[in-house]
Amino acid sequence: GDSVTQMEGPVTLSEEAFLTINCTYTATGYPSLFWYVQYPGEGLQLLLKATKADDKGSNKGFEATYRKETTSFHLEKGSVQVSDSAVYFCAHWGGFQKLVFGTGTRLLVSP
Amino acid sequence: KAGVTQTPRYLIKTRGQQVTLSCSPISGHRSVSWYQQTPGQGLQFLFEYFSETQRNKGNFPGRFSGRQFSNSRSEMNVSTLELGDSALYLCASSLTRREQNYGYTFGSGTRLTVV
Repeated sequence: GDSVTQMEGPVTLSEEAFLTINCTYTATGYPSLFWYVQYPGEGLQLLLKATKADDKGSNKGFEATYRKETTSFHLEKGSVQVSDSAVYFCAHWGGFQKLVFGTGTRLLVSP
Repeated sequence: KAGVTQTPRYLIKTRGQQVTLSCSPISGHRSVSWYQQTPGQGLQFLFEYFSETQRNKGNFPGRFSGRQFSNSRSEMNVSTLELGDSALYLCASSLTRREQNYGYTFGSGTRLTVV
């Protein structure tokens, strides 16, 4: 069935370090792919998206490329800030009009 | 413009009681979906409403129900609460069902604690 697998956290980095959070998915066809971010005590915010293969989504310095060959959508940022500390969720548009989420990866950035 | 508004933000209920949560979508958005977030199960789809009709339902017992009003506001109801219903309930809206493909806008959620 449809699923999303993302790396276990927490990911602990120093400010200005390079970030990669891996995400792979299992789905029928080529669904839209998303990264959502959740700050403490808040709901989910759409960080970036890609709706077809080879698309690159980008926002606030974060990027992810839709790779259909490897069914992956890894999140990257060149230089993280303390304010990027949050939980990041990879998701794809599953059947029956719903999002299928990964388990989330907590990112902790220290000064 | 205002985002997705969920009320209340926090709720504490006793086992066996029932609860109603409210969601007001972004103005003009007609599609509303609900998700449950728990540490053990993660984010799981509850239901989707469009034009006052439930279009999809996730794998939850019948104690979970919802509805959508003509102004697109939605409510979800959980009857006979169990401890395992403690969760963050998130509402999301989009302009149309097709627009969901480009990502929802989520509210801040209602945190329900069952004691």
